[in-house]
Amino acid sequence: DQQVKQNSPSLSVQEGRISILNCDYTNSMFDYFLWYKKYPAEGPTFLISISSIKDKNEDGRFTVFLNKSAKHLSLHIVPSQPGDSAVYFCAAKTTSGTYKYIFGTGTRLKVLA
Amino acid sequence: EADIYQTPRYLVIGTGKKITLECSQTMGHDKMYWYQQDPGMELHLIHYSYGVNSTEKGDLSSESTVSRIRTEHFPLTLESARPSHTSQYLCASSRFAGGGEAFFGQGTRLTVV
Repeated sequence: DQQVKQNSPSLSVQEGRISILNCDYTNSMFDYFLWYKKYPAEGPTFLISISSIKDKNEDGRFTVFLNKSAKHLSLHIVPSQPGDSAVYFCAAKTTSGTYKYIFGTGTRLKVLA
Repeated sequence: EADIYQTPRYLVIGTGKKITLECSQTMGHDKMYWYQQDPGMELHLIHYSYGVNSTEKGDLSSESTVSRIRTEHFPLTLESARPSHTSQYLCASSRFAGGGEAFFGQGTRLTVV
């Protein structure tokens, strides 16, 4: 049973435009969410996170939005750059009990120059 | 920049061989994780540790074993490699019990022939 879902396996966006990556989760116990970026044959690198007490967190070109009632979060990248082309993983965890990070299947973003 | 290291980066090995994938971190993190990832799939948690002498199996059943004798070191061992073990193995660590990101190593790409 997949607890974190990224339903779009790929996304293409023109350079300078907005990229929106989506993520849904099913476990209502999750209260901390993260986005990672991954290049082939490399480990994921952390981008941005959000606690369930917030509905938005911004860091430079990256903004994460959380809609708890819909169990949905999204990552906005503005403006998109060719260097943003990578696979983006959504992850979730609970901040009590176990400390496991549960990952989605990833969305491959391609930013076209 | 995260100080977590995995060796080797790439490994091609014959069926039946015993292998150990090394993971070390210099951040003093208590919590460490091993994930397995196949192309286009999510990162599956196969082992995790809360501290020295603490190890737990993850959500994906794995024939590998782990040990945590020192805080900084979390090696993964396969006693008898099989082609089905071909995958990318990612080690991670985190500091906080609650929020906070996990830092990943660069991964080991294992191919069993």
